[in-house]
Amino acid sequence: KQEVTQIPAALSVPEGENLVLNCSFTDSAIYNLQWFRQDPGKGLTSLLLIQSSQREQTSGRLNASLDKSSGRSTLYIAASQPGDSATYLCAVGGGGGADGLTFGKGTHLIIQP
Amino acid sequence: DAGITQSPRHKVTETGTPVTLRCHQTENHRYMYWYRQDPGHGLRLIHYSYGVKDTDKGEVSDGYSVSRSKTEDFLLTLESATSSQTSVYFCAISDSVDRVNEQFFGPGTRLTVL
Repeated sequence: KQEVTQIPAALSVPEGENLVLNCSFTDSAIYNLQWFRQDPGKGLTSLLLIQSSQREQTSGRLNASLDKSSGRSTLYIAASQPGDSATYLCAVGGGGGADGLTFGKGTHLIIQP
Repeated sequence: DAGITQSPRHKVTETGTPVTLRCHQTENHRYMYWYRQDPGHGLRLIHYSYGVKDTDKGEVSDGYSVSRSKTEDFLLTLESATSSQTSVYFCAISDSVDRVNEQFFGPGTRLTVL
């Protein structure tokens, strides 16, 4: 059974810092990996998707990397802003990509103004 | 944002009553999913559908059933609600165009079973 772990569970940093969120998974036979953002009381917003054949994806100040063989992904946030405060979720997709995602429990991020 | 709506957005019901949650999409995506989110457990897959009338069980399917009679609608039914089914329920959609299968989520339904 796939298990996804996110470290740290919570993180508080001053505005402007670069930071890294970590995600690890136990079964390397994944189809893809997605990073999401969730604001309190809201739904999930897809940030980045990395297919199993890719090493990284970038969107603006966000960069996600994938090392499938070691079962790890990182989300790098550059020049953090208070608006980045949210819970960040990592999820892996297995099978042919249609079988649903297995989620980590998230990293609760607070950016101090 | 992907065109996904969920109804109702909030519901309070009593133990033993049937409840149906609806997910509606306007994206014509093939795949649809139901997840529940609970403190300490994160999001877990309940059921999913890979086409009209084609569904399968996820990790936490006991006590739930689903139906998909049209591409755009995916219904989640709790035949006899229990307090352990108090949760936030999210619907998601994806498609296999370019073999990406990126999932997009609806706004969620907060269900309270008293």
